[in-house]
Amino acid sequence: EAQVTQNPRYLITVTGKKLTVTCSQNMNHEYMSWYRQDPGLGLRQIYYSMNVEVTDKGDVPEGYKVSRKEKRNFPLILESPSPNQTSLYFCASSPGTVANNEQFFGPGTRLTVL
Amino acid sequence: GENVEQHPSTLSVQEGDSAVIKCTYSDSASNYFPWYKQELGKRPQLIIDIRSNVGEKKDQRIAVTLNKTAKHFSLHITETQPEDSAVYFCAAPHTGGFKTIFGAGTRLFVKA
Repeated sequence: EAQVTQNPRYLITVTGKKLTVTCSQNMNHEYMSWYRQDPGLGLRQIYYSMNVEVTDKGDVPEGYKVSRKEKRNFPLILESPSPNQTSLYFCASSPGTVANNEQFFGPGTRLTVL
Repeated sequence: GENVEQHPSTLSVQEGDSAVIKCTYSDSASNYFPWYKQELGKRPQLIIDIRSNVGEKKDQRIAVTLNKTAKHFSLHITETQPEDSAVYFCAAPHTGGFKTIFGAGTRLFVKA
């Protein structure tokens, strides 16, 4: 089944404790992206990747890191989480190397930083 | 700056009525305009999209119209049903087509 998976689905952590949210897709998509969703603000892009080893900042990259060592995986890293990073996070993938195709979203990761 | 504005933020309609949601975008080079539906507790899913070489696209009760000159596009839902109740997001590519900017979303309530 074609899908985007994320883990964990729920995470409660404390300020400053490094964490990684994994994202994997099995559709051989070049374009992958991370978003955070906050009430009233919609989906805001954190980072995107056009292909392996090619990543760039979205609108809200501060406090986040990503890597794209393999085509299927695009982990999101929070080196020192803070309470303002409490949010619902979505990973997405899309065919092509630009953002002009349908994006397929993962199930979401709800992160709480205390 | 780069942005996508979406209106209204909340829309309440009676079952069977039509609903219209509008978005404006800032990057005149944008060439792809999707609409996503997000039901409560679920992930966003594409419901319809349009490319810049056409002005309108329909899929059963859903249609999208595009005005490239004015840089706005709209989602039209006819004969609304309770299962249409959800949050709807528009989006457009920016920055050479690499970045995706979403609207803030419209919460649609369809009253039975």
